[in-house]
Amino acid sequence: SQTIHQWPATLVQPVGSPLSLECTVEGTSNPNLYWYRQAAGRGLQLLFYSVGIGQISSEVPQNLSASRPQDRQFILSSKKLLLSDSGFYLCAWNNGLAGGEQYFGPGTRLTVT
Amino acid sequence: DQQVKQNSPSLSVQEGRISILNCDYTNSMFDYFLWYKKYPAEGPTFLISISSIKDKNEDGRFTVFLNKSAKHLSLHIVPSQPGDSAVYFCAASDSGGSNYKLTFGKGTLLTVNP
Repeated sequence: SQTIHQWPATLVQPVGSPLSLECTVEGTSNPNLYWYRQAAGRGLQLLFYSVGIGQISSEVPQNLSASRPQDRQFILSSKKLLLSDSGFYLCAWNNGLAGGEQYFGPGTRLTVT
Repeated sequence: DQQVKQNSPSLSVQEGRISILNCDYTNSMFDYFLWYKKYPAEGPTFLISISSIKDKNEDGRFTVFLNKSAKHLSLHIVPSQPGDSAVYFCAASDSGGSNYKLTFGKGTLLTVNP
């Protein structure tokens, strides 16, 4: 069966510090991978998606970036965090087959102080 | 422009009664619709979906209805249980691309009272 991991689970970082969140998927190959953010009281905003190694598409211009160094690894980064980067970050995957269901990881709670 | 709208931010029902969660969409290219359930501090979990070629899909206590002409779908939960209390997200996809991006609504907080 497939599982998706995210770490860390929670993170408190000062403004201007760097960020690296990691997501890995097990039990599947060549998944589509996604990064979402849920800000307080808001829905799920798609930030980045990737259909293969090194292939990143950005949905929203911001100071975040994403990378996919390996087939089942997806990393969300920032060089300098802003207060507005606080939120709940979710990684998701799907296998690209008809249906479109995405399966989400447990999330990372980021607080920028 | 919000392509998927959940106009009710919250809904409260009594245990055993029916919960009806609504969702509207504006993009005619959407051909697949999904409902997710989310507890606080957890990732959303997939509940049920429906293709645009159908008007109803049922899975246990959960039924999703699709009205294409009205661009409206709803999730019915019968009977509602306290454990159903969570935020429910409606999502839609345009399967024209293989990456299968989902567009989510802002969610409805369902509270089922014992």
